[in-house]
Amino acid sequence: QKEVEQDPGPLSVPEGAIVSLNCTYSNSAFQYFMWYRQYSRKGPELLMYTYSSGNKEDGRFTAQVDKSSKYISLFIRDSQPSDSATYLCAMMARTGRRALTFGSGTRLQVQP
Amino acid sequence: NAGVMQNPRHLVRRRGQEARLRCSPVKGHSHVYWYRQLPEEGLKFMVYLQKENIIDESGMPKERFSAEFPKEGPSILRIQQVVRGDSAAYFCASSPTPRDTGELFFGEGSRLTVL
Repeated sequence: QKEVEQDPGPLSVPEGAIVSLNCTYSNSAFQYFMWYRQYSRKGPELLMYTYSSGNKEDGRFTAQVDKSSKYISLFIRDSQPSDSATYLCAMMARTGRRALTFGSGTRLQVQP
Repeated sequence: NAGVMQNPRHLVRRRGQEARLRCSPVKGHSHVYWYRQLPEEGLKFMVYLQKENIIDESGMPKERFSAEFPKEGPSILRIQQVVRGDSAAYFCASSPTPRDTGELFFGEGSRLTVL
C-alpha cells in the first residue's frame, strides 16, 4: 500500500464548477501538507501549504486537512480553463526525513 | 519557477552510457533535492544535499546513481551505465533552509530517454 493515495483522474469539469481533489495517507507522522500544481512538461509549483489540521483559503483555493481521518482536500471555486493541470498532494513529517512524499497526482481538465 | 535552472532539458542516451544532469538552485538557496517522476506517477524522492554534503540519500538506487553539490557550481546527478528503466523526468528543487516545511522551488526537469 502506498503511503499517499490519490485518484489519478482524469477529472473533467465545465468552467465555473467547484472542483474537489483529495488524498488519503497512512503515515500518522505527517504534519505538513501541500498541494502542488504541475502543468504539462513543467515542474511542480507550490499552490497551498497547511500545517497540521484545519483549513486554509487563498483566493479561489481552499485546502483542508483532517488528520483524524488522514484525509486532505483541495477545493477550487469558479474553475477556469487555466486551472487545467495535474495536482499533486505532498506531505512531510515534522521530524526525521526532510523529504516530501507525493501522491501520484490528479489530472484536471476544465472545459471552456 | 523561482529560478531553479536545470540542464539539459532533454537527454537521450543509449544503454550503458552515462547521464549527467545539472541543477543550479535559486540564488541563495543552499539545500537541493532531486526527485524522479515516472510516467503517470508522482515524484519520488532520491537525495537531499547541502553544499558539499549528502544529507539523505535514502531514495537513491544503491548502484549506478550518485549526486553531488560542490562548494562552487551546480548540483550534479550522475547515472552510470543507464538502462531503459532509468527513462524518466528528473526534477531538482531547492529551499533556503532545512527548516522549511516542504515549500520547495522546482526546476522544469530534465527528461532522460534511454534507447
